[in-house]
Amino acid sequence: DSGVTQTPKHLITATGQRVTLRCSPRSGDLSVYWYQQSLDQGLQFLIQYYNGEERAKGNILERFSAQQFPDLHSELNLSSLELGDSALYFCASSALNLPRGKNTEAFFGQGTRLTVV
Amino acid sequence: GQNIDQPTEMTATEGAIVQINCTYQTSGFNGLFWYQQHAGEAPTFLSYNVLDGLEEKGRFSSFLSRSKGYSYLLLKELQMKDSASYLCAVSRDPYSGAGSYQLTFGKGTKLSVIP
Repeated sequence: DSGVTQTPKHLITATGQRVTLRCSPRSGDLSVYWYQQSLDQGLQFLIQYYNGEERAKGNILERFSAQQFPDLHSELNLSSLELGDSALYFCASSALNLPRGKNTEAFFGQGTRLTVV
Repeated sequence: GQNIDQPTEMTATEGAIVQINCTYQTSGFNGLFWYQQHAGEAPTFLSYNVLDGLEEKGRFSSFLSRSKGYSYLLLKELQMKDSASYLCAVSRDPYSGAGSYQLTFGKGTKLSVIP
């Protein structure tokens, strides 16, 4: 158990709908990453938050948004869903308040499998 | 931008040794990670290199050359359960500030261990 909790584990929804994926980071971790992994594809970085602030953006669509709350949990919102959005969505957390060069290992949740039909 | 390259697939025999290479190009390099991912599961941490050289952890070792932008993961005494994808990931610090590290993954190398 990595200590990172994602809900729900599975989600089936129709095209055009909107869903919210939730992530609770490991206790004490201030940084949260979101990744998308489509079938047989690598982990695509979407967005990173640190202590409530957005720190980095990857290939995140405009239909997608995220936020990190004061209690450090994070939500990824996916709207106007398309069939191609079907994927595993992973959240990871790490302790990034470390000196440069220290291990910034990210711990992954078990993912939310989103199926758009 | 960043570029991380690793072979798509590899096959090796149970009990053998396999080396999975990773090359990268990035600015603000902070460290290089290797993760293991079984199909449909979360990636799990294997190793971390920040300085040049070899880090050994049991059957797994990882090597880094910062000047060459090159790393490899070495798996010894292969077991069937080692069949998985191995992900090379680069941590970079583009802002030199707290929480600014970015973690970007390569597409992964799918390793098949055969009897």
